[in-house]
Amino acid sequence: KAGVTQTPRYLIKTRGQQVTLSCSPISGHRSVSWYQQTPGQGLQFLFEYFSETQRNKGNFPGRFSGRQFSNSRSEMNVSTLELGDSALYLCASSLVFGVATSGNTIYFGEGSWLTVV
Amino acid sequence: AQKVTQAQTEISVVEKEDVTLDCVYETRDTTYYLFWYKQPPSGELVFLIRRNSFDEQNEISGRYSWNFQKSTSSFNFTITASQVVDSAVYFCALPADMGRRALTFGSGTRLQVQP
Repeated sequence: KAGVTQTPRYLIKTRGQQVTLSCSPISGHRSVSWYQQTPGQGLQFLFEYFSETQRNKGNFPGRFSGRQFSNSRSEMNVSTLELGDSALYLCASSLVFGVATSGNTIYFGEGSWLTVV
Repeated sequence: AQKVTQAQTEISVVEKEDVTLDCVYETRDTTYYLFWYKQPPSGELVFLIRRNSFDEQNEISGRYSWNFQKSTSSFNFTITASQVVDSAVYFCALPADMGRRALTFGSGTRLQVQP
């Protein structure tokens, strides 16, 4: 069974540019969430999508956006890149949305390493 | 507020030693789940275990074991007879405040297992 697949794995962008990252969840999983990991802030939740609708959003500026397609694949976009956006962006998938009430386990991909120069 | 503390920033052991990674949490929920993930250098967060707060029995999976103590809000992880392949960053996590639909992670413990 294939895991969570993220593309691209590595990319370098210039300040002011925008970037789109892609995520294919585990087959049958309908929820996709995104996390940002930096040395300073650690792992932080960006947003979660289920049935093509954003269900939850973390404390990130509007430059960070995402969407989910009917096949559950998801993309996230960061516009007007800043140096501080350099991070590992992790996508995770789960059967349903919500972690607490159901104990639903989320599975992560290998991430996309973004460097902004 | 939900919070996870992993006070050990980095641990270095020699192969075959046992090692325990500490996790202390704060939660306002009476029922909750706790998680451990492993992050090797490749970056992927590998799911290790999910534990319901109702179940305080220790869990063992091969060389891995977990000790859940609700009274002290701790969920510690022990690797027995460590191996070089265990070298990674380990994260403890529990559901966050925001509608409890995301995970809040500890800062992680980097484990270096020397041959």
